[in-house]
Amino acid sequence: KAGVTQTPRYLIKTRGQQVTLSCSPISGHRSVSWYQQTPGQGLQFLFEYFSETQRNKGNFPGRFSGRQFSNSRSEMNVSTLELGDSALYLCASSPGHRKVTYEQYFGPGTRLTVT
Amino acid sequence: DQQVKQNSPSLSVQEGRISILNCDYTNSMFDYFLWYKKYPAEGPTFLISISSIKDKNEDGRFTVFLNKSAKHLSLHIVPSQPGDSAVYFCAALTGFQKLVFGTGTRLLVSP
Repeated sequence: KAGVTQTPRYLIKTRGQQVTLSCSPISGHRSVSWYQQTPGQGLQFLFEYFSETQRNKGNFPGRFSGRQFSNSRSEMNVSTLELGDSALYLCASSPGHRKVTYEQYFGPGTRLTVT
Repeated sequence: DQQVKQNSPSLSVQEGRISILNCDYTNSMFDYFLWYKKYPAEGPTFLISISSIKDKNEDGRFTVFLNKSAKHLSLHIVPSQPGDSAVYFCAALTGFQKLVFGTGTRLLVSP
C-alpha cells in the first residue's frame, strides 16, 4: 500500500505571496490532518478534514485554509505569506474512525521557506 | 500554552542500555497517548500508543508507561540500538484525530 505523499517537497516563496500544498492520503483513508513543524514550537495542529468537511481546527490565523476533495486528497493554502510561516508542513492520514484506530500516518512533509 | 511537554530536548545513551524518554501533560481530558519517532527529512512514524485506561503497553523493545495521577508518561527502549537515534515526540489525542504534540526529545544511541 502506498504511503502518504506530499507535493512539492520543497518550496521557496517571498513575503506576501500565497502557496498551495498538496497531500494524497493512503488509499482508503478518509481523514487528512495538517501540521506545522517549526524548531521553536514543535508540531502544531492546523486542521483536519474528513469526507470533505473540516472536522477540527487548530489555533492558526485565517490565512491558513484547506480543503478536501471527494477522493480524499487534500490541499492546504497559505495566503499573504510571512517570514514566520517558514516551516515543515506535514500531512497525516488515518481511516478517520476514532474508535477504530488512533494512529495517523505521516507524509514526508513540504519544506516551505519564505524570504 | 504547551499542554504536552517534553522537558528534555536531548538524551544520550549507550547501545544496549535503556533509554527513558519522558512526557508530561496538563489536560486531564486527554484519553489516548502516542509516541512517534522522526528521522530528518521524513515525517513522524507511529511507534506505540496507550489508552488512558491502561498504565502500561508493551511492543517488543518499546514500553510505554502512563501515570494518570501524575499526568506523566514515559517511553522505555530496551535495549537501545544505534538505529533508534531519532527525535521522539509524545502526543495526546483530543477530539477527532487532533494530536497535540510535545516539542520532542532527540535521542542519540552511541555504539
